[in-house]
Amino acid sequence: GEDVEQSLFLSVREGDSSVINCTYTDSSSTYLYWYKQEPGAGLQLLTYIFSNMDMKQDQRLTVLLNKKDKHLSLRIADTQTGDSAIYFCAAYNTDKLIFGTGTRLQVFP
Amino acid sequence: KAGVTQTPRYLIKTRGQQVTLSCSPISGHRSVSWYQQTPGQGLQFLFEYFSETQRNKGNFPGRFSGRQFSNSRSEMNVSTLELGDSALYLCASSLVSSIAEQFFGPGTRLTVL
Repeated sequence: GEDVEQSLFLSVREGDSSVINCTYTDSSSTYLYWYKQEPGAGLQLLTYIFSNMDMKQDQRLTVLLNKKDKHLSLRIADTQTGDSAIYFCAAYNTDKLIFGTGTRLQVFP
Repeated sequence: KAGVTQTPRYLIKTRGQQVTLSCSPISGHRSVSWYQQTPGQGLQFLFEYFSETQRNKGNFPGRFSGRQFSNSRSEMNVSTLELGDSALYLCASSLVSSIAEQFFGPGTRLTVL
């Protein structure tokens, strides 16, 4: 089945760009998502990309998809302290979402 | 528009007991999915309900079950609780299918002693 992996931690300075990476194993996954989870809260969908797209931009967020390498990334421009959270990558596969382990983003002043 | 609500928010049970968690989706949403989140296993899909029918199921034992009512509200039940069932249980709703944007509730934190 599908397996989604992410690095566990990322620390960036406020104002810099953050890049969170994700790899998945099953090339038949049709949609790929990025979710954000703040402490004590559920998940918030940030953006998603269809598997036939290479890139999607939404304000400060840019998603890049390399389908050949099965690699997905989320770039957050001008990272703010409010962006500190856990970010989950997810792949839609066999009618369900398969989530990665989550990357904890810490933004320091 | 009210978001997804889950009750209760926190629950403490002992091994061997059973528990029922409730989820009220966003008005008009017909698909409800349940997930278990633990530090060790991460986020894992439990099941999805649509129009009162289970449409999809993850790899969990039969102790985990659910149902959906005609108003789209959903419940999940865990029988014969084990220590390893301690987790945050998240419910998500979407209009028609889990492929569409899913809106998550805040979760129910279950602790099994």
